[in-house]
Amino acid sequence: ETGVTQTPRHLVMGMTNKKSLKCEQHLGHNAMYWYKQSAKKPLELMFVYNFKEQTENNSVPSRFSPECPNSSHLFLHLHTLQPEDSALYLCASSPQAGGSYEQYFGPGTRLTVT
Amino acid sequence: DAKTTQPNSMESNEEEPVHLPCNHSTISGTDYIHWYRQLPSQGPEYVIHGLTSNVNNRMASLAIAEDRKSSTLILHRATLRDAAVYYCILLDNFNKFYFGSGTKLNVKP
Repeated sequence: ETGVTQTPRHLVMGMTNKKSLKCEQHLGHNAMYWYKQSAKKPLELMFVYNFKEQTENNSVPSRFSPECPNSSHLFLHLHTLQPEDSALYLCASSPQAGGSYEQYFGPGTRLTVT
Repeated sequence: DAKTTQPNSMESNEEEPVHLPCNHSTISGTDYIHWYRQLPSQGPEYVIHGLTSNVNNRMASLAIAEDRKSSTLILHRATLRDAAVYYCILLDNFNKFYFGSGTKLNVKP
């Protein structure tokens, strides 16, 4: 138990569906992250929020839309996804954004796009 | 983005020390060296990080070369629970980083 929870743990959706992934951290951190982990590919950073402000968007397609209503919650809204978007989506948090801080990861949401 | 190079796999005997190497020849002065590990079907777990000096915590030690172009994660006594994929990554204060393929550590009883 890392103090970062993600729901749902598994999600199957069609290409025309709209769904959302939720992340919550109970560590009092001020930075939250979304990562994508595809089979046989390195972990990819998608979005970074620091004190509720988005500070990083690594050229992620617009069909992925993040939302950070407060420092404890992070959402990833999904719409019109493609099969190649099937992956493990990981959320993480840290005291603040930046290299001097360690990150704590949630267990991930396994997403399958059919 | 600065990149890291790690061996694809390593093997160790239980209760013996393990030295996991990482090369990062293009490291910049503001890059922190982080190590994470990941078990199957789980998110990555923080192990240790440092900037210039060697670091110790309850899980491991991090030895950083004087020129910072390489580092070594040291597990002092490997257990079966340490079998995982270990990632060495560089992270700067602008969140630019490269997560490589990692080293799969196999621990033999």
